[in-house]
Amino acid sequence: ETGVTQTPRHLVMGMTNKKSLKCEQHLGHNAMYWYKQSAKKPLELMFVYSLEERVENNSVPSRFSPECPNSSHLFLHLHTLQPEDSALYLCASSQALGKYEQYFGPGTRLTVT
Amino acid sequence: GENVEQHPSTLSVQEGDSAVIKCTYSDSASNYFPWYKQELGKGPQLIIDIRSNVGEKKDQRIAVTLNKTAKHFSLHITETQPEDSAVYFCAASKRGADGLTFGKGTHLIIQP
Repeated sequence: ETGVTQTPRHLVMGMTNKKSLKCEQHLGHNAMYWYKQSAKKPLELMFVYSLEERVENNSVPSRFSPECPNSSHLFLHLHTLQPEDSALYLCASSQALGKYEQYFGPGTRLTVT
Repeated sequence: GENVEQHPSTLSVQEGDSAVIKCTYSDSASNYFPWYKQELGKGPQLIIDIRSNVGEKKDQRIAVTLNKTAKHFSLHITETQPEDSAVYFCAASKRGADGLTFGKGTHLIIQP
């Protein structure tokens, strides 16, 4: 166990649904990240938060909306997704920005039908 | 931005033999190079990392080497065991960057 948990582990949703992914870290870290992992592609950084403030958004479509209410929790709100958004969504945390060691959760396997 | 290339995409070795996975990076300012292991149904797990002020680092059966001039780094696993079977990712980062740039991964298969 890395100290980073994600729920749900699996999610199937239609293109008109709204759902949210949740991440929680129990490591006392101050930075949290969302990554997308698609088949045969490198992990793609989506969002970075430090002390609940978003510091990076890698040109992610607006149908993905992150929220970080405190340094232990990170959400990814999903709406009007496309089938190509089906992927494994990974959350990670690190002690702080610039502290490079990142610890990943198990991911949420998302299928958009 | 940074680009990380990883080879091979699949590597099959006999149990007990050594495995080597290689990565190259494009940004000479990158100074941190972690390796992650991902087992089926799990998130990536950090197994070893190296910073640019070091040429080699070893932890039991795994080692990482870094050649800054050539901008490549490698993961070496000796005396491979069945539990080493997984997908391995290399990554690169630099001061001021907040996320990691990953390679595409290597599926390592340990043949009994």
